[in-house]
Amino acid sequence: GENVEQHPSTLSVQEGDSAVIKCTYSDSASNYFPWYKQELGKRPQLIIDIRSNVGEKKDQRIAVTLNKTAKHFSLHITETQPEDSAVYFCAANWKGSNYKLTFGKGTLLTVNP
Amino acid sequence: DTGVSQDPRHKITKRGQNVTFRCDPISEHNRLYWYRQTLGQGPEFLTYFQNEAQLEKSRLLSDRFSAERPKGSFSTLEIQRTEQGDSAMYLCASSRDGPSSTEAFFGQGTRLTVV
Repeated sequence: GENVEQHPSTLSVQEGDSAVIKCTYSDSASNYFPWYKQELGKRPQLIIDIRSNVGEKKDQRIAVTLNKTAKHFSLHITETQPEDSAVYFCAANWKGSNYKLTFGKGTLLTVNP
Repeated sequence: DTGVSQDPRHKITKRGQNVTFRCDPISEHNRLYWYRQTLGQGPEFLTYFQNEAQLEKSRLLSDRFSAERPKGSFSTLEIQRTEQGDSAMYLCASSRDGPSSTEAFFGQGTRLTVV
């Protein structure tokens, strides 16, 4: 089945710095790659996603890049702020499924003021 | 709040008891999912409904677990004869049909503790 590896498991940055979280996936049929942000005790929230027909997508301070050949995708957060502190999960759709997601184990991002 | 809502938010139960959780999806979403999340892990897929039809069940969902979505709106997840290993956050999510069907929106979850 699909396996999604996420690194690092924890990341600490100073406010204003950039943060990068990387994920690799195993199934070449995967074509949808969302990123979720989960604050302590709250629901996972979809923050950005990318489909396999593009290599990069940006939304203000957040960007995601996809390398289909290498089967990896990354989340980039620029000008980090303390409110960016949360656990971030990457995911990939299982065998190209249009409903089933496989998640990474998460990255705890801490932005120090 | 017009997002996905789950009830209860927290449930503490004794081992061997049955528990039932409810999920109300976003109203125009006909796809509904249940996921389980344990500490330090990402959500794991349990089951999927399209309208009232349960189209897939994960192997994680033992015979003690049953999910329903009788009228294609809200869903319930029941766990019978709970075990300590069932302690986890149970997350419900929903999405539309069509090109954005994979854009799943999660509820806040029900945290189950089996003592």
